[in-house]
Amino acid sequence: QQQVKQSPQSLIVQKGGISIINCAYENTAFDYFPWYQQFPGKGPALLIAIRPDVSEKKEGRFTISFNKSAKQFSLHIMDSQPGDSATYFCAPNTDKLIFGTGTRLQVFP
Amino acid sequence: NAGVMQNPRHLVRRRGQEARLRCSPMKGHSHVYWYRQLPEEGLKFMVYLQKENIIDESGMPKERFSAEFPKEGPSILRIQQVVRGDSAAYFCASSQTGYRSEAFFGQGTRLTVV
Repeated sequence: QQQVKQSPQSLIVQKGGISIINCAYENTAFDYFPWYQQFPGKGPALLIAIRPDVSEKKEGRFTISFNKSAKQFSLHIMDSQPGDSATYFCAPNTDKLIFGTGTRLQVFP
Repeated sequence: NAGVMQNPRHLVRRRGQEARLRCSPMKGHSHVYWYRQLPEEGLKFMVYLQKENIIDESGMPKERFSAEFPKEGPSILRIQQVVRGDSAAYFCASSQTGYRSEAFFGQGTRLTVV
């Protein structure tokens, strides 16, 4: 499972700022690229996902950017809010999710 | 439509005992995954099952761990002769098709071995 590397490990952002989390993968067979959000004491929940036939997908304040040639995809959170404070995992997959190591995001008011 | 149900939420076992973790997938889902999460770490894939079949157990330790998903009833993750290193949160997820589909997670079972 070392085939997925996520950065940074932790991120502190002021309210209203932009949060950017990156994910690099090795397995070119991956064909589904989701980001999961996990609050303390809870299970992860799907936040947003992209398929490799598009380079960007936006849902509200959340955007995925996908760079197939570089084998990277990133999560951008615009106008970050304190309620966005959570741990974020990339989980590229074919038939099973392989999770990145996680990024702990803290948004301060 | 209830979500993925895991029980118990918390489980305490003494070293050497057996731990049985149960997972009821969402209605209509026939694909189940088990993950282990250590504090401050990511989720490590353990096993992927469909009804009555183990599809991928590449993340399962070779000894003491087993999983099943019978035709009727919940999926069970069994850990025999638990050791302190087994203490972790164990999450179950289910999906409808198992391929490129959203996986829904339960609240997890927190196992503590004393």
